[in-house]
Amino acid sequence: DIRMTQSPASLSASLGETVNIECLASEDIYSDLAWYQQKPGKSPQLLIYNANSLQNGVPSRFSGSGSGTQYSLKINSLQSEDVATYFCQQYNNYPLTFGSGTKLEIK
Amino acid sequence: QVQLKESGPGLVQPSQTLSLTCTVSGFSLTSYNVHWVRQPTGKGLEWMGVIWTGGSTDYNSALKSRLSISRDTSKSQVFLKMNSLQTEDIATYYCARGVPPDVMDAWGQGASVTVSS
Repeated sequence: DIRMTQSPASLSASLGETVNIECLASEDIYSDLAWYQQKPGKSPQLLIYNANSLQNGVPSRFSGSGSGTQYSLKINSLQSEDVATYFCQQYNNYPLTFGSGTKLEIK
Repeated sequence: QVQLKESGPGLVQPSQTLSLTCTVSGFSLTSYNVHWVRQPTGKGLEWMGVIWTGGSTDYNSALKSRLSISRDTSKSQVFLKMNSLQTEDIATYYCARGVPPDVMDAWGQGASVTVSS
């Protein structure tokens, strides 16, 4: 199975700041990577797929990048509604696997 | 409007079988795949399995011996059955619609399952 290692596990930032979340795959996943946002008490929601393609309806302050084994999610101009846990997911190979999550809070 | 809703008993006795139903609306099970994903409280996401548009299935090898996914397209329902439940199976269970390129673009609200006698 492909192991996905996310960092940091938690993050505190101020409104308006830019934050980055990293995801490292145990092998090359050829940009077959998605990012999900899970707000407290809610189901996950798809943000980004193919490492850098924004899902319809997702604000443009979210962006993804990376290749090979290293990927990142960037959130510009942090808003209060961005408080959530973020997960990466690889779909290069089955079983589908997720990172352990990054909990984002507002300072 | 795409919707998925999980239903089933919230409490299962140890060693018994979990049965959950995912009722979908706004799309056809013959056009979209449906995945099952679970999440222990406060923890990460674990992919369990998928039923493809053609009705075939794939399972996480860690659960394969205990897990079965099926569907009734006429009722727009997908079923999950997992036997020999233990406390490690305590989690919220989600069904989610699968879209190319193998991501999940709509999720149910989740069904919380506890294992206890």
